[in-house]
Amino acid sequence: GENVEQHPSTLSVQEGDSAVIKCTYSDSASNYFPWYKQELGKRPQLIIDIRSNVGEKKDQRIAVTLNKTAKHFSLHITETQPEDSAVYFCAAIASGGSYIPTFGRGTSLIVHP
Amino acid sequence: DADVTQTPRNRITKTGKRIMLECSQTKGHDRMYWYRQDPGLGLRLIYYSFDVKDINKGEISDGYSVSRQAQAKFSLSLESAIPNQTALYFCATSDFGQGNEKLFFGSGTQLSVL
Repeated sequence: GENVEQHPSTLSVQEGDSAVIKCTYSDSASNYFPWYKQELGKRPQLIIDIRSNVGEKKDQRIAVTLNKTAKHFSLHITETQPEDSAVYFCAAIASGGSYIPTFGRGTSLIVHP
Repeated sequence: DADVTQTPRNRITKTGKRIMLECSQTKGHDRMYWYRQDPGLGLRLIYYSFDVKDINKGEISDGYSVSRQAQAKFSLSLESAIPNQTALYFCATSDFGQGNEKLFFGSGTQLSVL
């Protein structure tokens, strides 16, 4: 089955800096890669996603890049703000199968004012 | 607003007790899931259901069972709770039938087994 590795497990940055979270996946059939944000005490919520026919997608201060050859994808947050502090999960889903997402273990992002 | 509702929000129980966590949704989605969240381990799938007559085991189903009572209801049972089942449990739904793989999570149930 699919295996998703996520790094780092903890990331601490100063407000205004950029943050990058990286994930690798094992199943070459995976073609949909969502990112979820979980604020403290809240439920995970989708913030951005990318499909395998696209190399990059951007939404204001967040962007996701995908390298299908290397089987890795990354979340980029620019001009970080304290409200970006949360746990971020990446996931990979393969079409043609059950479409069950496999999640990474999460990255705790801390943005210091 | 259409939502995914979990009850209870918090539960403390003792080893050996049987407990049930309930999930209901008003989104009209066919697919429902139960995940367990532990610090450092991410979200792990316990069971999932694609419709009322469909039940599938996830990666960590041992010690758990589920029931899909209706399209809108999916409950998770711990037949004999043990301390290492202490965790945050999330129910989720998705509407893959529309080509949308996005998961909608409930607010979670914090379970403590003493």
